[in-house]
Amino acid sequence: TAGITQAPTSQILAAGRSMTLRCTQDMRHNAMYWYRQDLGLGLRLIHYSNTAGTTGKGEVPDGYSVSRANTDDFPLTLASAVPSQTSVYFCASSGSSNQPQHFGDGTRLSIL
Amino acid sequence: QQQVKQSPQSLIVQKGGISIINCAYENTAFDYFPWYQQFPGKGPALLIAIRPDVSEKKEGRFTISFNKSAKQFSLHIMDSQPGDSATYFCAASIETSGSRLTFGEGTQLTVNP
Repeated sequence: TAGITQAPTSQILAAGRSMTLRCTQDMRHNAMYWYRQDLGLGLRLIHYSNTAGTTGKGEVPDGYSVSRANTDDFPLTLASAVPSQTSVYFCASSGSSNQPQHFGDGTRLSIL
Repeated sequence: QQQVKQSPQSLIVQKGGISIINCAYENTAFDYFPWYQQFPGKGPALLIAIRPDVSEKKEGRFTISFNKSAKQFSLHIMDSQPGDSATYFCAASIETSGSRLTFGEGTQLTVNP
């Protein structure tokens, strides 16, 4: 089934450690996004990529970095995790700027 | 500052009743307003969307009402069913700027049998 695959599904990480959340889509979508979901705050955009080779900052980019080496993959890296980065992270993609976004099933990350 | 504000935070309705969730936005440049449905352990899924050139859009039991002058839009779920129990998010974006979504805080809907 076509869609978005996120890995891992959950992770517990010690503060100060680095972590890369993986996201792969097989729909050949140009645009990809990373959101974090926190109770009472909804989903907030961390970083986005309109097309392979380009990235941009969203609403809450501090402490996170992304890369977009090819169309299918959009990894999110936490260089030095802090407890406030405990959240559920969702990757999404869309075919173009006027098409809906499709979401993966998320990565639940706990920073201790 | 939340650019899209959603209410209520939680909602309980009886089977067959009408569920109403409201959203208000600030940025008048927003031109695309989707609603997403999320079940536990899953990512959000697009439910229905509207653009500001119409005041209402209906798909089955789901209707979006849009009031451009008031900068408000709402989701109505008619004949609510227990299977509709989920978290609902409104969102807004500027399509010419890449459709980056700004989400509301979410509403947890429970439909009792």
